[in-house]
Amino acid sequence: DTAVSQTPKYLVTQMGNDKSIKCEQNLGHDTMYWYKQDSKKFLKIMFSYNNKELIINETVPNRFSPKSPDKAHLNLHINSLELGDSAVYFCASSQAGTGDEQYFGPGTRLTVT
Amino acid sequence: DAKTTQPPSMDCAEGRAANLPCNHSTISGNEYVYWYRQIHSQGPQYIIHGLKNNETNEMASLIITEDRKSSTLILPHATLRDTAVYYCIVRPLGNYGQNFVFGPGTRLSVLP
Repeated sequence: DTAVSQTPKYLVTQMGNDKSIKCEQNLGHDTMYWYKQDSKKFLKIMFSYNNKELIINETVPNRFSPKSPDKAHLNLHINSLELGDSAVYFCASSQAGTGDEQYFGPGTRLTVT
Repeated sequence: DAKTTQPPSMDCAEGRAANLPCNHSTISGNEYVYWYRQIHSQGPQYIIHGLKNNETNEMASLIITEDRKSSTLILPHATLRDTAVYYCIVRPLGNYGQNFVFGPGTRLSVLP
């Protein structure tokens, strides 16, 4: 069984469009995250959600918005896509009190043309 | 910015131990050392973490110096599937306000 899953795996879209990436975890974790890995391979955290509350919001443009319909899902919505948004986006989850090790999804490769 | 320093790349012969160093000279007393790895085109994978005592699990061993300013991740018998980028991260346990800050890591190549 897949612990953390993301859809789609690949996403190609044009500048100015609005898109969403979905993430689901079946580990029963209470915290979920979104990371961005750019072309230089640096992995940077964007958001984390704990019990439906936003815990961390890094210096991310407000075109990006995380939405969590329930504890098992954290979707990433991106408005007015720009060329610089092209990257691989990873979802992750963790559980407080267990060492905080994060489990990552397989990633979504977003290409903005 | 990452609070750790790692060599950009290392090679290891298959079947031999891979010893990956990490410097974290500014580590605070409440910060743990975490190790993750990222195999090509996959999401990062948790390996191990520790505070001050040496730790071992089914994947690796973590050796932390007494002054906690550096650590070494040991893969006892490296295989070709261990080829990956290895990240050393320091952060407090249980503080969601502290990010996992991934630096450039060490690219380990296990050679046949």
